[in-house]
Amino acid sequence: TQLLEQSPQFLSIQEGENLTVYCNSSSVFSSLQWYRQEPGEGPVLLVTVVTGGEVKKLKRLTFQFGDARKDSSLHITAAQPGDTGLYLCAGEGWAGTASKLTFGTGTRLQVTL
Amino acid sequence: DAGVTQSPTHLIKTRGQQVTLRCSPKSGHDTVSWYQQALGQGPQFIFQYYEEEERQRGNFPDRFSGHQFPNYSSELNVNALLLGDSALYLCASRSISEINTGELFFGEGSRLTVL
Repeated sequence: TQLLEQSPQFLSIQEGENLTVYCNSSSVFSSLQWYRQEPGEGPVLLVTVVTGGEVKKLKRLTFQFGDARKDSSLHITAAQPGDTGLYLCAGEGWAGTASKLTFGTGTRLQVTL
Repeated sequence: DAGVTQSPTHLIKTRGQQVTLRCSPKSGHDTVSWYQQALGQGPQFIFQYYEEEERQRGNFPDRFSGHQFPNYSSELNVNALLLGDSALYLCASRSISEINTGELFFGEGSRLTVL
């Protein structure tokens, strides 16, 4: 069974602080994706990382894929209240043309003024 | 361009009943996947449909079944509901032609409460 563990589970910080969320797995995935989910909505894709060691930046968000493609991190610089939400990492696996995402346990982030 | 739409948004059932949830994929998408998200947890893969066939299945009992129609829309059926089936059920779609690079789009989900 492939499992993805995220840490921390909960994070409450003030506006302007930096934070890092970690996603670790014992399995290798063909790609790893990060989503943000707000209450009452479905997850929205933030980024997909594919290559070991890959780093992608999305404004104040920096995503890194581990060299062995088993772990990833999300770093947010100067957090804002609009960053509040549930952050989910997900590894994608394939069976022919069928794919499935294995989601992590999630990190709930709250950014206060 | 409508995204993934799901219905109903909320519903309440009692133990032992059956439920049907519906999903219309984003325009141009032909694969549909279903996920179950219990409160405070990440979504768990139930199954994926393409060309009206179940292509891959997660670790869910046979009480969970699905269907895909010729217009690519899909239904998720759950029989003999248990309290533990209470969750947000998410539908996601993607185009098979972009299966390696295309973004998976999620609907807002159907919140099922089993009493």
